[in-house]
Formats: sequence, C-alpha cells, structure tokens
Amino acid sequence: AQSVTQLDSHVSVSEGTPVLLRCNYSSSYSPSLFWYVQHPNKGLQLLLKYTSAATLVKGINGFEAEFKKSETSFHLTKPSAHMSDAAEYFCVVSHGLAGGTSYGKLTFGQGTILTVHP
Amino acid sequence: GAVVSQHPSWVICKSGTSVKIECRSLDFQATTMFWYRQFPKQSLMLMATSNEGSKATYEQGVEKDKFLINHASLTLSTLTVTSAHPEDSSFYICSAIMYNYGYTFGSGTRLTVV
Repeated sequence: AQSVTQLDSHVSVSEGTPVLLRCNYSSSYSPSLFWYVQHPNKGLQLLLKYTSAATLVKGINGFEAEFKKSETSFHLTKPSAHMSDAAEYFCVVSHGLAGGTSYGKLTFGQGTILTVHP
Repeated sequence: GAVVSQHPSWVICKSGTSVKIECRSLDFQATTMFWYRQFPKQSLMLMATSNEGSKATYEQGVEKDKFLINHASLTLSTLTVTSAHPEDSSFYICSAIMYNYGYTFGSGTRLTVV
C-alpha cells in the first residue's frame, strides 16, 4: 500500500521569501514521487519528479525537491516566492519502475494551498 | 510534448440528464487513461482506469453504471455521467500515460448539476 501526507493544508509566505511545502510518503516498494501544481479550475502541471535517480530533483519555475529515504520525505522548496506561485500543490506517489518504463496508480496527497503576499 | 485535451471545460446540466466528457491525447497514443474526481478543497480521487479496447477498471465505491467509460481508440477516452444528480457536481480530470514521459493531465471539467 502507498500513501502520501502533506503536512500543511495552507502555507502563507511573503513574495521573495523561501517556500517549503512538506510531504511524507509511505510505500512498500521503491516509489516514484511527483509534485504537481494546480491553479483554480485548471488541470495539473508537473513541477518535478523523482524516479530513483538523483535524490535532489530540480523542476520548473525554480522549484526543487529532495528525496530522503531515511525520513520518507519529499519536501518541495523554492528559494524565493513569486506572486504567480500562488496555487495548490499536490505531492503524489506511484509505484513506477526505475527508468519510467512502467507506471502504476497515482496516490495524491491532500494538497497544500500556497498563498503569496506582496 | 505530451498534451491531453479535455472537453468541455465546464458544463451545466439538469438533474436526470447525461453528460459526456472527452479526453484526447493530441500527439501521442495513450493505451491507458485515468479518470479522477475532485471535490471542492479536496484532493483528486481516482475513479477508474481506462484501457483501450477493454473494459475500464473501477475503484471501489465508484458506480460503473453511473460513470460510463469508453476507450474506443488510442487517442480518445470518454466519461459519461448518466442520470446526473446534484451530488455528481464536481471537477473531473483525466490523465494519460505517455511512454518514457509519464503522466499528463487534462485541464479538467467543472460539472454542475442543477
């Protein structure tokens, strides 16, 4: 079984300050982990993914995440928040095989709403 | 890159009528597509897995006779909400898998049943 817990339902930061969105996972197998962003009434956009390669993953728009197996965490960070980063973020786990040759079901975290203040 | 087009983006229908939502992979063939439902301020819940040329696999608790899924070609999957009721109002999102790329999501459909 696999599960994902996003530790904060809401995060509020000021523009230009760092962003930290926390995610812990549980998986019986070597997981693939993803972060997606969703703007209101829109679909999901992939920010970054971890598939058993480098543990520090760099994504789009300056986001990055570090896979820490010992802590079963995959926190999302960004050094400096921008107003356009305000959205909802989902941490997702899948039982994908290494190299991305096979994909299993996705399990979504509860989501974290990021608010960015001027 | 992998693009999934989902239509309509929003729809309002009367109780008792049926609504069809389309999900198309524009530049790749998708043998597997997923349908999700998202309630307000909640996460995405997988409803069913759609496989081209075969019956969809529904998650526990999802009524297959109410949410009809058809995946007749490698580029098109449809979700039909039959005899819609206000409690079916939700945001529905499809997703497809592209080999060596991963998952890509449609832009979602906001269904309101009045």
